[in-house]
Amino acid sequence: DAKTTQPPSMDCAEGRAANLPCNHSTISGNEYVYWYRQIHSQGPQYIIHGLKNNETNEMASLIITEDRKSSTLILPHATLRDTAVYYCIISFWANNLFFGTGTRLTVIP
Amino acid sequence: AAGVIQSPRHLIKEKRETATLKCYPIPRHDTVYWYQQGPGQDPQFLISFYEKMQSDKGSIPDRFSAQQFSDYHSELNMSSLELGDSALYFCASSLGDVRANTEAFFGQGTRLTVV
Repeated sequence: DAKTTQPPSMDCAEGRAANLPCNHSTISGNEYVYWYRQIHSQGPQYIIHGLKNNETNEMASLIITEDRKSSTLILPHATLRDTAVYYCIISFWANNLFFGTGTRLTVIP
Repeated sequence: AAGVIQSPRHLIKEKRETATLKCYPIPRHDTVYWYQQGPGQDPQFLISFYEKMQSDKGSIPDRFSAQQFSDYHSELNMSSLELGDSALYFCASSLGDVRANTEAFFGQGTRLTVV
């Protein structure tokens, strides 16, 4: 059973903000939300993670709803190099990251 | 900055042979994770180690085994290889486990082809 739900694909114009949603309605209070991306069979790349507060780093921003049942990853100015599969992952009871199906983001020139 | 190193990057083996994949974590990282990614699939968790002890087990076949050594590097041993074992194998490392507000970083993977 899926722990997160993401749209299978999204397009974004180059230079615009990319907003990638994720639903995680069964998240527990002490579970973190992680975002990774994978560019064409390379190793998954860590982007950002958070518990309940919004987070920002040099790559992206993470907005987590107050009830923690969903989150949005924001890439403020998408470039062609941001084309990748983006995974929203919940750090579960087990010591691992469970990859769901992810969102294939295509940045269009 | 040092990253997770995996070797070899590419490996070709015949059916029923044995393969050993190696993973060298980021310095001071004490936790290692192994993932398998088949063609067109998402990464599937195999096994993880924390401080040289197995901490979690996923969909790892009985033909596979792994361990983490005293220097924290890890090896994934795969025996009686099957065509279906052809995949990318990723290793990741973290300082502490991912339940504890830490990031896991992935290596570039080993591409195993079984012929």
